[in-house]
Amino acid sequence: IAGITQAPTSQILAAGRRMTLRCTQDMRHNAMYWYRQDLGLGLRLIHYSNTAGTTGKGEVPDGYSVSRANTDDFPLTLASAVPSQTSVYFCASSAGDEFNEQFFGPGTRLTVL
Amino acid sequence: GQNIDQPTEMTATEGAIVQINCTYQTSGFNGLFWYQQHAGEAPTFLSYNVLDGLEEKGRFSSFLSRSKGYSYLLLKELQMKDSASYLCAAKGSNYQLIWGAGTKLIIKP
Repeated sequence: IAGITQAPTSQILAAGRRMTLRCTQDMRHNAMYWYRQDLGLGLRLIHYSNTAGTTGKGEVPDGYSVSRANTDDFPLTLASAVPSQTSVYFCASSAGDEFNEQFFGPGTRLTVL
Repeated sequence: GQNIDQPTEMTATEGAIVQINCTYQTSGFNGLFWYQQHAGEAPTFLSYNVLDGLEEKGRFSSFLSRSKGYSYLLLKELQMKDSASYLCAAKGSNYQLIWGAGTKLIIKP
């Protein structure tokens, strides 16, 4: 693994189904983030984690949950998917210091029908 | 409230110079980032400003005026590979990034 990876690359999901998007980084970064990106809108923060064992809500957390059991992994779960959750999801990480440059994974394109 | 404004789309000619502007309003301010995002790909970091002035990095430069809530990204000697979206993001008092919708830059030969 080099950097930050996400799985799956893309997914088509029926409404009401549960789905977990996976994110793994090998840079030993403290902070990790989940964003969604929709056409015409900026990246919107869903949830974040400043360090392993802690999580926080971002701008659009409803319908999503996260966990941070260790430094490397930060999965995002949609408990019961709805069509408005159709989007491209990016996971990112940063060292967590004041500079806070974020490194992004390749993204997951999710379609909820 | 918190807000980032940048133009939706710009067009420029190969070899020319283009300036992409960004204005921001945040609760507190802890830096301004520019990212590049090619279609279908992830954003990648270009520059970071926290003090007023110009930061130069090769063909790309970024400027910040904290008093005006204003930044710009300057791209010189444009190449076709510079066709991409350019995202402005400001870091507020909670140290989270507030993102603009991005400026799609189209380079013509």
